Amino acid sequence: AQKVTQAQTEISVVEKEDVTLDCVYETRDTTYYLFWYKQPPSGELVFLIRRNSFDEQNEISGRYSWNFQKSTSSFNFTITASQVVDSAVYFCALSPDNYGQNFVFGPGTRLSVLP
Amino acid sequence: DSGVTQTPKHLITATGQRVTLRCSPRSGDLSVYWYQQSLDQGLQFLIQYYNGEERAKGNILERFSAQQFPDLHSELNLSSLELGDSALYFCASSSYGTGSNEQFFGPGTRLTVL
Repeated sequence: AQKVTQAQTEISVVEKEDVTLDCVYETRDTTYYLFWYKQPPSGELVFLIRRNSFDEQNEISGRYSWNFQKSTSSFNFTITASQVVDSAVYFCALSPDNYGQNFVFGPGTRLSVLP
Repeated sequence: DSGVTQTPKHLITATGQRVTLRCSPRSGDLSVYWYQQSLDQGLQFLIQYYNGEERAKGNILERFSAQQFPDLHSELNLSSLELGDSALYFCASSSYGTGSNEQFFGPGTRLTVL
């Protein structure tokens, strides 16, 4: 069975602080994909990143960076110099690379960035 | 804007009623997915259609059904509604049916059952 755990239910930081959101996953598949989505207060789900199980390179996109470690089954997300606009619920998701198989979402981490 | 549209944005109805939620995928996307987001259950996958055919089923109740039409838009039908069905219902689309493709989500339909 597949499972995604986001142990941090809520995090509050002050603007300009760095913050890391944890994601731990479980799967028996050798090929799978990991995703992060952002859900701002407006409610829509915004795609942030996709990573496949064979690519353990860390990725940086502006103030966002992702650390994928297969050895610990983790795919953590760091926001550097956080801003108020980063306040949202962030979801980590896991999907195998098969037809008809679908995303399993973690419970989400609510990030509040205070001015 | 993800390119996925959902109507209506809000729906208020009574227990026992039936409603239909509509979704238009991004241009060119063949797969449509339906999710339910509630406070206690989180984001739950309901059902997937690929090019008109049902491809996968998740935690979808028997009172719920869906279909994808030849023009690729999809409808989610919810019947005999209960208070617990109140939730945000998302539609998502992707290019193909495999899990490797990121899904693009619509703005959601907020259903309130009174």
